[in-house]
Amino acid sequence: QVQLQESGPGLVKPSETLSLTCTVSGGSISGYFWSWIRLPPGKGLEWIGYISYRGSTTYNPSLKSRVNISLQTSRNQISLQLTSVTAADTAVYSCARHASDGSPWDYWGQGTLVTVSS
Amino acid sequence: DIQMTQSPSSLSASVGDSVTITCRASQGIANYLSWYQFIPGKAPKLLIYIASSLQTGVPSRFSGSGSGTHFTLTITNLQPADFAIYYCQQTYNSPITFGQGTRLEI
Repeated sequence: QVQLQESGPGLVKPSETLSLTCTVSGGSISGYFWSWIRLPPGKGLEWIGYISYRGSTTYNPSLKSRVNISLQTSRNQISLQLTSVTAADTAVYSCARHASDGSPWDYWGQGTLVTVSS
Repeated sequence: DIQMTQSPSSLSASVGDSVTITCRASQGIANYLSWYQFIPGKAPKLLIYIASSLQTGVPSRFSGSGSGTHFTLTITNLQPADFAIYYCQQTYNSPITFGQGTRLEI
């Protein structure tokens, strides 16, 4: 059974960089696309971006200037970096797997809460 | 961006009832529409993909329909485990977007 687990600091200071890791177990990250998504408190789901198994990335234009998603194939991990964070970036961050850019997301992590505060 | 308008935002029902949730896209998305179930503390679950295909392992009480701009998720014979938040998602165009969610309460 494929499982995804997000990890990283739960508290980040304003203007700093948010860094999270999604660790995949029960399957390889090769051959799939991997998305990051977030759910701010009291708001809707926002797709952040995805990376393909070949390493090509597509980001939400609303976040594109601040986002970097990368693969660590040897560790079966996907990383997210979001720079220059503000309180508006406080959210539950999740990763998910899909077969291609238009495919549904068949496995998700439970998500991890990141709070931006000094 | 394609806007996904989901209704209702919340819904009260009882065990054994049937409910329908609607999702409308601001432009045509063919059948690139999926439905997910969110339960706090658990990983979100894919229920329906390509608008009407039931994901493996999902009870047949769940069904989806629609194409273009109008989609529905129907749950029949509600069970206690079904009380959750449901989201629609379009993957037709980037950026991928979601409906605002429907909270299904007992």
